[in-house]
Amino acid sequence: GAVVSQHPSWVICKSGTSVKIECRSLDFQATTMFWYRQFPKQSLMLMATSNEGSKATYEQGVEKDKFLINHASLTLSTLTVTSAHPEDSSFYICSARSKGQGMTAYEQYFGPGTRLTVT
Amino acid sequence: DAKTTQPPSMDCAEGRAANLPCNHSTISGNEYVYWYRQIHSQGPQYIIHGLKNNETNEMASLIITEDRKSSTLILPHATLRDTAVYYCIVRPYYGGATNKLIFGTGTLLAVQP
Repeated sequence: GAVVSQHPSWVICKSGTSVKIECRSLDFQATTMFWYRQFPKQSLMLMATSNEGSKATYEQGVEKDKFLINHASLTLSTLTVTSAHPEDSSFYICSARSKGQGMTAYEQYFGPGTRLTVT
Repeated sequence: DAKTTQPPSMDCAEGRAANLPCNHSTISGNEYVYWYRQIHSQGPQYIIHGLKNNETNEMASLIITEDRKSSTLILPHATLRDTAVYYCIVRPYYGGATNKLIFGTGTLLAVQP
């Protein structure tokens, strides 16, 4: 149980275009989802936190107009990188926190990540 | 900033126990110690968490000192597939706006054949 999926697993896009990444909690309801970014040989950096039905809260230094986050349901959040540039190339990882029921209460589970390359 | 300190890297022989230390001297009373690991190019994987008692599951054991200022993750019989970056994180247990998992630099565990 407690599986989080991401789609796509990797994507290549041209500079100036937008790309959407999906994050789904497959077998639990996630009231809160998190988006992280990881550059090569670095740790995960939290970008934003989103609660279902609410606007996302962005960490300092993360451009909310560039990284659009939608959390429309208890099982789906999307991250759209708008007007992508080569410096946005990174490994994007989502995470979902369970609703607070049973054994998985409040635990946070991670997706497999999406490798974005902007050319 | 991360509230934990871990050695940047460790080696372990295959089949031996891997003991990964973590210092969290400023841990608060309501904060749990969580361990995650990240195998190369994958998302982090939850390992174990605890408050003050030692914990064990099918993956590992967690030993927390009595003053809670440090802990050790123990992989009893390391395999090559345990090669990963291991992250020690402290955070309150219950959900809330400030209860985010903030990753430090972790420990790269290299299991040697």
